[in-house]
Amino acid sequence: NAGVTQTPKFRILKIGQSMTLQCAQDMNHNYMYWYRQDPGMGLKLIYYSVGAGITDKGEVPNGYNVSRSTTEDFPLRLELAAPSQTSVYFCASSNPSRYGYTFGSGTRLTVV
Amino acid sequence: KNEVEQSPQNLTAQEGEFITINCSYSVGISALHWLQQHPGGGIVSLFMLSSGKKKHGRLIATINIQEKHSSLHITASHPRDSAVYICAVSEYSGGSNYKLTFGKGTLLTVNP
Repeated sequence: NAGVTQTPKFRILKIGQSMTLQCAQDMNHNYMYWYRQDPGMGLKLIYYSVGAGITDKGEVPNGYNVSRSTTEDFPLRLELAAPSQTSVYFCASSNPSRYGYTFGSGTRLTVV
Repeated sequence: KNEVEQSPQNLTAQEGEFITINCSYSVGISALHWLQQHPGGGIVSLFMLSSGKKKHGRLIATINIQEKHSSLHITASHPRDSAVYICAVSEYSGGSNYKLTFGKGTLLTVNP
């Protein structure tokens, strides 16, 4: 079982550049999420989706965009990268009828 | 918004010791999750519970809904248990388990 696959694992961006963090799951989960993890802080929700074509903002959505064209994929887009977006990003999925979350392995992003 | 507090922030133990990590939250929840994150690694879901107690191998999780408190116990600790343990809660929202609120984590180091 692949579970939740995130790419890339590491990336260095220059200020003002853009990039897309990819996330794919093969468990047919309806719910998908993007979180960021900063040192000494709990994970914060950036965006989430409850199904294909439906997305909504979380706690810290500024500077990010998402789309959900299929059940499997939930890419996170960073436009005009800023140093404040240096963080570790985790994608996750869940199914309300079953217990637990499945997380991806994370993307460590540095903006310089 | 739920506040999730974990204690201790850091914990060092000798191999074989019994370990307890605590989590408290401020408002009613639909479920509480315990997660494990190894240094530089991804996040793994250990338990999801809404009442009582669950056991998996050497790990035991308990929750007291009235006191808004949960504990994660590790029996016969081993150096491979060294990781960050994260408590997260999902709040009542039509029975859906989305939008977790995370604690900051407890860094556990088990020395041989």
